[in-house]
Amino acid sequence: ELKVEQNPLFLSMQEGKNYTIYCNYSTTSDRLYWYRQDPGKSLESLFVLLSNGAVKQEGRLMASLDTKARLSTLHITAAVHDLSATYFCAVRSLWRLTFGEGTQLTVNP
Amino acid sequence: DTGVSQNPRHKITKRGQNVTFRCDPISEHNRLYWYRQTLGQGPEFLTYFQNEAQLEKSRLLSDRFSAERPKGSFSTLEIQRTEQGDSAMYLCASSRITGTGGYEQYFGPGTRLTVT
Repeated sequence: ELKVEQNPLFLSMQEGKNYTIYCNYSTTSDRLYWYRQDPGKSLESLFVLLSNGAVKQEGRLMASLDTKARLSTLHITAAVHDLSATYFCAVRSLWRLTFGEGTQLTVNP
Repeated sequence: DTGVSQNPRHKITKRGQNVTFRCDPISEHNRLYWYRQTLGQGPEFLTYFQNEAQLEKSRLLSDRFSAERPKGSFSTLEIQRTEQGDSAMYLCASSRITGTGGYEQYFGPGTRLTVT
């Protein structure tokens, strides 16, 4: 059974600081996704990572994938308050996505 | 707005009642998924349709749950004899095969079910 683990589960950081969220998964997969969720809202797609070594960047967020280590990272650069949300990684197996528990990020002024 | 839509957005029901939710996917997407999300957790897969065919069901989908996608367009998820443990956000997502095979799933706003 595919398991996806994220850490940390809770992250409180100051504006302007950098930090990394980690996503480990237990079995081979060729697709990894990062989503953002604001309280009471649905999931917003951030990144789709398709191959080993893939790196994608959008604004202050950068995601990478190492399929050999079964590890993806979401790096936050110079955090701003607007990034406060819960971030999920998800791994595809056949048609289904298996999600991690999520990382609740709070960026403090 | 051409995103995934879900109705109703909120549903409060008494234990033992039946409820039905509707999902309208993005129009050109032939794949449709249902997930359930409880508070503080990531979404959990329930079921998947390709066109009108239901190709996979999670063991989370007990006999009280049934999903349909007639004509391969909108989908409905019905829960019979609701229990308090069914209280959750029910999310629908849709996708199509992209040029890079990304199978990116786009999520709807969800239906929040509260069983009292």
